[in-house]
Amino acid sequence: DGGITQSPKYLFRKEGQNVTLSCEQNLNHDAMYWYRQDPGQGLRLIYYSQIVNDFQKGDIAEGYSVSREKKESFPLTVTSAQKNPTAFYLCASSGNRGYQPQHFGDGTRLSIL
Amino acid sequence: GQSLEQPSEVTAVEGAIVQINCTYQTSGFYGLSWYQQHDGGAPTFLSYNALDGLEETGRFSSFLSRSDSYGYLLLQELQMKDSASYFCAVVLSGSARQLTFGSGTQLTVLP
Repeated sequence: DGGITQSPKYLFRKEGQNVTLSCEQNLNHDAMYWYRQDPGQGLRLIYYSQIVNDFQKGDIAEGYSVSREKKESFPLTVTSAQKNPTAFYLCASSGNRGYQPQHFGDGTRLSIL
Repeated sequence: GQSLEQPSEVTAVEGAIVQINCTYQTSGFYGLSWYQQHDGGAPTFLSYNALDGLEETGRFSSFLSRSDSYGYLLLQELQMKDSASYFCAVVLSGSARQLTFGSGTQLTVLP
């Protein structure tokens, strides 16, 4: 079955540490997205990529970095510059023609140790 | 910038009909989309409106009025499994078709 896989499901970060969240899709989608969700809030866009080797900042990119070296993969690094990283992180993908719904992974919950 | 407003909570009983409203202010509006998210889970796509009017998908319908910057999600024949958060999301124009999400409406369905 096609889908989006995020790993790990839970992640703990120490002070001053960078951590990387994995996102892999086998839907053959061109576009991929990273969102952050805080308790009781909507999703906020961190970064997005419409095509391999290209990505753009979203609304809250500070303290995060991404890469898009393969169509299937869009990892997100939460750097030590992100002072409040505790949140639920969701990865999504979609086709690129017209409007196509975004398909989401099951998320990674990041906490500070 | 963009802003969306939707009620934070709605409660209804099984078998009832509920309407979740969404008003938005945005530049570069392309359409309005709705997503459902069960507690701690992945959001799933429910519906999309690009043009004014009603779109029906089974028990769920969605409405858009572009002139009023307003839309709603209508859920009929409510079931316990419909208890979840519902997000309206503006689809922005531009090649990326980015989504800007509202803060969500927590729907509780009572027996």
